[in-house]
Formats: sequence, structure tokens, C-alpha cells
Amino acid sequence: AQKVTQAQTEISVVEKEDVTLDCVYETRDTTYYLFWYKQPPSGELVFLIRRNSFDEQNEISGRYSWNFQKSTSSFNFTITASQVVDSAVYFCALYYNQGGKLIFGQGTELSVKP
Amino acid sequence: GAGVSQSPSNKVTEKGKDVELRCDPISGHTALYWYRQSLGQGLEFLIYFQGNSAPDKSGLPSDRFSAERTGGSVSTLTIQRTQQEDSAVYLCASSLGQKETQYFGPGTRLLVL
Repeated sequence: AQKVTQAQTEISVVEKEDVTLDCVYETRDTTYYLFWYKQPPSGELVFLIRRNSFDEQNEISGRYSWNFQKSTSSFNFTITASQVVDSAVYFCALYYNQGGKLIFGQGTELSVKP
Repeated sequence: GAGVSQSPSNKVTEKGKDVELRCDPISGHTALYWYRQSLGQGLEFLIYFQGNSAPDKSGLPSDRFSAERTGGSVSTLTIQRTQQEDSAVYLCASSLGQKETQYFGPGTRLLVL
């Protein structure tokens, strides 16, 4: 079965705090692809990052970093020194090799207060 | 370059009417996807096109839903005899090909009264 779980439904932090969004996935495929998307209040899904299963190097992009751990089937997302503009719903997704679709987690709503 | 565009942005219709939603993918993207986002169900896959053919229609919830893609570009999602449970945001995405990153449009907010 292919499944993505984001256990944190809502997180609230104060500006400048670091925050980690958890993502756990299930798949029987040996090669797979994981994604993070951001959905701000405007509603559009914005692509953040793609991770291929055969590349375990962690990535940092400015204040954003991602920790991919195959051993625990996790692909967690950390925002360092959060800002109010980071307030959004964040989705983790797994690409389904047999069909082309993305399987999304339930999303984590992040609220960053000034 | 231009992103994925969708029209209309918002649609209000009466129960039982038919609606058409349009998606214009990023130029050169051969793959196109429709998803639905509703409060109780999260983000659900509806259908996937590669070129003009639809290898995966597994997410269409009933035979009232259909989609087509012509010329390998624009796609139309049609919902016949709309029901209140069809109210949702319908999202379109496109990608360069299979297994490539999907880029989403702004969505069409459908409200069935």
C-alpha cells in the first residue's frame, strides 16, 4: 500500500522559532519520489522540493531544510527562524509509480505568530 | 514563463446542472492531472493524462465525472448533474512527463447549491 502520514494537524509557533513538520510514508517500491508542497491562504499549491529515493543527501535551501531517512521512512521538513509569511498548510506527497498520481498526506497547518 | 492556468476561478451552480472546468497546462508539459480538494477528504486524485490519453481514471468518483484533453494541451473536466457533495476546489497540475515534478494551477472553487 502507498500511504503518507502527517501526524501533526496544526502547529503554532512564535516568529523566529524553529519548527519541524513530520512526514512518514509507506511504499513497496524500491525507487520512489517524495515531495513537499506549500499551500498559503491564497490556495495555490506551491512546489518546494522533490527527493528521489536513491539520493539520501539532505538538502538546505535558505531557512528550509529536509531530512530524508529511508530507515525510518520519513521525510521531515524544518523551517529555521520561522516568519509570519511561512504560515500555510504544508503537504507531503509520494509519487505513485503505477499510475502517475501524487498521494498526499493530510497536511499540517502551520501558524507563525508575530 | 506562464504557469498552469484554470478557469473559471469560482463557479456557483445549482444542483442538477452540468459544469465544465478548464485547465491550461504549462507549455511543453505532456502530463496533466486533475485533483480535488475538499474539507473532509483532503487532496484526492481524479485523473491523469499523458498526451491525449488517460492511462489512469481511477480517481473519478462516479460516471457523472468525465475529462478530456485535446491537442495534448488544454483539458476540460465535466461534471454532469452536479450534487452538493461535488462542492470542492478542483486543482489541475502538469509535468514534463511521467515521474516529473507536478506544478499546480490556482484551482477552481465549485459551489453547488
